[in-house]
Amino acid sequence: GDSVTQMEGPVTLSEEAFLTINCTYTATGYPSLFWYVQYPGEGLQLLLKATKADDKGSNKGFEATYRKETTSFHLEKGSVQVSDSAVYFCALTSNTGFQKLVFGTGTRLLVSP
Amino acid sequence: EPEVTQTPSHQVTQMGQEVILRCVPISNHLYFYWYRQILGQKVEFLVSFYNNEISEKSEIFDDQFSVERPDGSNFTLKIRSTKLEDSAMYFCASSGGRTSYEQYFGPGTRLTVT
Repeated sequence: GDSVTQMEGPVTLSEEAFLTINCTYTATGYPSLFWYVQYPGEGLQLLLKATKADDKGSNKGFEATYRKETTSFHLEKGSVQVSDSAVYFCALTSNTGFQKLVFGTGTRLLVSP
Repeated sequence: EPEVTQTPSHQVTQMGQEVILRCVPISNHLYFYWYRQILGQKVEFLVSFYNNEISEKSEIFDDQFSVERPDGSNFTLKIRSTKLEDSAMYFCASSGGRTSYEQYFGPGTRLTVT
């Protein structure tokens, strides 16, 4: 079945450092890809998405590019802030059925001042 | 901005008891979902619901679980006889349509089974 693999956390960075969180996927067909963020004590918020190969999703300084050839959707940000501390989930929906989301295990990001 | 709401935020129940978790999806959305997240683990799909019936369910969603849309606004998840391993955060989500991929999540209900 479909699956998502994320790098283990926590990722610990200083403010203004460059962030990469790796995500690879296994899916049949052409899934849509997502990054969700979960701030402490809150629910899941959609951060960005890409629906086809070579699409780049971006939001709040975060970016991720849908790479079909490497089945990857790595999350990047050029300069992280303390307020970016959260858990980041990579996810996909297949293009069959009713678009259930398949999540990775999540990566905790800790940014210190 | 429209949002998905869930009640209660925290529910404590004894093993064997029935619980009902409530969700109010975004008003013009058509597809509804329940997910759960056991502490420290990944978010797992439970069930999707469209046109007043279940469209897909996972292996987790056994006969102890049921969903209902009793009126035009609420979407509920019932667990008939809770087990210790049902302790988790339960998230409701809704989306506008089959080709609108964005699912909007509620803040979750933390269920603790003692």
